[in-house]
Amino acid sequence: DAKTTQPTSMDCAEGRAANLPCNHSTISGNEYVYWYRQIHSQGPQYIIHGLKNNETNEMASLIITEDRKSSTLILPHATLRDTAVYYCIVRGATSGTYKYIFGTGTRLKVLA
Amino acid sequence: DTGVSQDPRHKITKRGQNVTFRCDPISEHNRLYWYRQTLGQGPEFLTYFQNEAQLEKSRLLSDRFSAERPKGSFSTLEIQRTEQGDSAMYLCASSLAGTNEKLFFGSGTQLSVL
Repeated sequence: DAKTTQPTSMDCAEGRAANLPCNHSTISGNEYVYWYRQIHSQGPQYIIHGLKNNETNEMASLIITEDRKSSTLILPHATLRDTAVYYCIVRGATSGTYKYIFGTGTRLKVLA
Repeated sequence: DTGVSQDPRHKITKRGQNVTFRCDPISEHNRLYWYRQTLGQGPEFLTYFQNEAQLEKSRLLSDRFSAERPKGSFSTLEIQRTEQGDSAMYLCASSLAGTNEKLFFGSGTQLSVL
């Protein structure tokens, strides 16, 4: 079972920031938070990942709370092409199982 | 970087037939994953390889499913005696092991069992 919970769907106005929350209250100390997105009929696409610190790349920012029990993916200026299903995944990287367990994700719709 | 390629893109078969899918990962990637996805659901983990070794297999995977990665490069997923419930998108992903591991997915093989 997925170790994360996300809202089923969200809307965002084009040009505004999209803030997608994720709860992972049972996360372990060595587990990373990953975000992927899936645009209709394509394979999932990597967005960003982090362990403790906030992370930013050309696609998005990842804000992880100090207790690491939740995180938020921020798309700073959402466009229509950001309409997709966004998956938050918790996964170990140094030992044990390396599989990624996807939940049902958040369906983000960017509105013109 | 040619990306992860999967073949075929679409497969229609009759119930009871065997099917085989192929995945060619990004060339330097040592991990390879197979997932299955049905409409409205997230990808469901099936199995993964590190080099040629199959390290984990989902308990949900029946013995009709088998995967190989003979030389640590391409991989095949075979489904024997297909059932209508096997209809799904089969996704392959590859990665380079490490703390900055990122999965790169192919476009998938859409299987329809009639």
